[in-house]
Amino acid sequence: DAEITQSPRHKITETGRQVTLACHQTWNHNNMFWYRQDLGHGLRLIHYSYGVQDTNKGEVSDGYSVSRSNTEDLPLTLESAASSQTSVYFCASSGLSSSYNEQFFGPGTRLTVL
Amino acid sequence: GQSLEQPSEVTAVEGAIVQINCTYQTSGFYGLSWYQQHDGGAPTFLSYNALDGLEETGRFSSFLSRSDSYGYLLLQELQMKDSASYFCAVRKSSGDKLTFGTGTRLAVRP
Repeated sequence: DAEITQSPRHKITETGRQVTLACHQTWNHNNMFWYRQDLGHGLRLIHYSYGVQDTNKGEVSDGYSVSRSNTEDLPLTLESAASSQTSVYFCASSGLSSSYNEQFFGPGTRLTVL
Repeated sequence: GQSLEQPSEVTAVEGAIVQINCTYQTSGFYGLSWYQQHDGGAPTFLSYNALDGLEETGRFSSFLSRSDSYGYLLLQELQMKDSASYFCAVRKSSGDKLTFGTGTRLAVRP
């Protein structure tokens, strides 16, 4: 069965370190998204991609970067982790503008920056 | 800019009907989605409305009024497993990018 996975599921790091969160989907979806979820803020879009070599900034992109070298993966990099980036991170994917606009979410990565 | 408003918490009794409202302000609108998220879990898709009217999927229905910038999710025959957070999300363009509301936490009581 097709799925979307994230790794690691939990990560503790120190301020200033570079951290990369992995996202891998086997749906063969063109569209991939990274969100962060914090209490009181819901899901906020960090970066998104509509295909290989395409990346776009979302509403909270500062301090984050992504690259899309193939269809299956969209890794999220925190260039220099800050305590404000402690959050739960969700990756999602969707197909070519389906009529239902359904996004499929990964299980999430809980990141703690000390 | 854009904003979505939905109640932060709703409580209802098992077997009852509950409506979760969502109002939005956005430049450009393609449709309104609803997602469910249980504690510790990932959001899962419930419904999508691009046109005015009611969409029914089993016990869940979703309504949209584009002229009022308003939608709601209706949950019928509530079950304990429906206790979760519910998010509305606006699709602004033909791309699949979504802007989510802050979520409504539904507590279903016996």
